[in-house]
Amino acid sequence: DVVMTQSPLSLPVTLGQPASISCRSTQSLVRSDGYTSLTWFRQRPGQSPRRLIYNISKRDSGVPDRFSGSGSGTDFTLKISRVEAEDVGVYYCMQGSHWPHTFGQGTKLEIK
Amino acid sequence: EVKLVESGGALVQPGGSLRLSCVGSGFTFTTSWMRWVRQTPGKGLEWVANISPDGTDKYYVDSVKGRFTISRDNAKNSLYLQMNSLRAEDTAVYYCAGDLLYWGQGTLVTVSS
Repeated sequence: DVVMTQSPLSLPVTLGQPASISCRSTQSLVRSDGYTSLTWFRQRPGQSPRRLIYNISKRDSGVPDRFSGSGSGTDFTLKISRVEAEDVGVYYCMQGSHWPHTFGQGTKLEIK
Repeated sequence: EVKLVESGGALVQPGGSLRLSCVGSGFTFTTSWMRWVRQTPGKGLEWVANISPDGTDKYYVDSVKGRFTISRDNAKNSLYLQMNSLRAEDTAVYYCAGDLLYWGQGTLVTVSS
C-alpha cells in the first residue's frame, strides 16, 4: 500500500502568517495515464471532512485563494498564504492513484 | 442543497452484522463514485470501499475484503455497506462520500461485547 506521510503533525501558526504542510508518498502518484490523484481535506472539530484541493492544485468552489496546492510525483504541499481563525482544524492529504486509496495521518493546525 | 445522510450505525457484538445506508440529494448521485470512509475515534481517516456510478466496479481495503460489501441503488439515490463478521477494530464513525466532494455527517459503529 502507498503510505502517505504528512509533516508537521502539529502546526501552531500566528494569525496572518503563512503555513505549509508537506505530504510525501512512498511511491509516485503518477498513474499510467499520466493523471495524479492527490487531494487535500480539512476537518474542523465535530465536523465531517471537507475537500479543499483536488488534482494536486485545483481549488474547490468556495475555497479561498489563500489556499494553494502544489507538487508532483511523491512530494506535495498545501500552503495557506495568510492563516485566519477559520482555518483551524486537521488537514489530511489523500492519494487516489493506487488501490487502496490512503490518507496521511493528519496535521493539526492551531492558532498560537 | 447537497445532503448525504447515513444511518444504521449501532452497538454490535464481535462477529455480528450491520448494514449502513446513505441517502443522497442535491447532486447527481447516479454519476458519482461513492465511497465509505471511516474514522476511528480521535484518529485519522481510512478509506474503506468505493463503488462506480453504475455499481459494476467495487474496491475494498484489504482489512474488510470478504466481510464488507458495498452496493448502491441509483433509483433511490442510496448507498449501502453490508458489514459481516465485525471485529473490535471496525469500531469507527463511518462516512459516505460522493466523489470525495460531498460528505455525510457520519454514523457510529461500535463493536464490543
